[in-house]
Amino acid sequence: QQQVKQSPQSLIVQKGGIPIINCAYENTAFDYFPWYQQFPGKGPALLIAIRPDVSEKKEGRFTISFNKSAKQFSLHIMDSQPGDSATYFCAASKGGSSNTGKLIFGQGTTLQVKP
Amino acid sequence: EAGVAQSPRYKIIEKRQSVAFWCNPISGHATLYWYQQILGQGPKLLIQFQNNGVVDDSQLPKDRFSAERLKGVDSTLKIQPAKLEDSAVYLCASRTITGGAYNEQFFGPGTRLTVL
Repeated sequence: QQQVKQSPQSLIVQKGGIPIINCAYENTAFDYFPWYQQFPGKGPALLIAIRPDVSEKKEGRFTISFNKSAKQFSLHIMDSQPGDSATYFCAASKGGSSNTGKLIFGQGTTLQVKP
Repeated sequence: EAGVAQSPRYKIIEKRQSVAFWCNPISGHATLYWYQQILGQGPKLLIQFQNNGVVDDSQLPKDRFSAERLKGVDSTLKIQPAKLEDSAVYLCASRTITGGAYNEQFFGPGTRLTVL
């Protein structure tokens, strides 16, 4: 119940394409869903996050789509660029008064954007 | 604003040796996390501190791993004795508790440990 399952494991797109990364969770107590971007040799950095009271959130070229009934959420990268080549992690945490900020991460997706 | 600092960046040891990692969180961040990231996997929480108290250490292998956060600022994570399966990147993250329950976690660059 604590798992977050992420797919695909790797993804290759051409510049300008729209890669989509999917995540699914079991625990309905999760109410905060961030996406992290990690470059080689660096720590993960927050990209965008969503809470279940909305179905979509956009920040620049990055969009999260959230389906509460299906317990799934996905990251779309519009007009992808070679500089977006990185590993992307979805995550989830429990909110409310018991929130400790503990993040449960997915397995990661390595994205390569070809010029 | 300075980020989360970690040292060393790389460490190679023989199995059964001991090793220690150091983390300096962002100034003023009360919450500090240590994660283990095995190659090809997402980070897994090992231990979480709030100030100098442990909030969650349910996934810390306590027979060999220990961590402390003296004075509620810097933290050290120790492994003694190390096993081959401890080869991973050890990430430190910090978060402020001011302003709400959904504050961002900021990660350091990590320490890459190789156990031979």
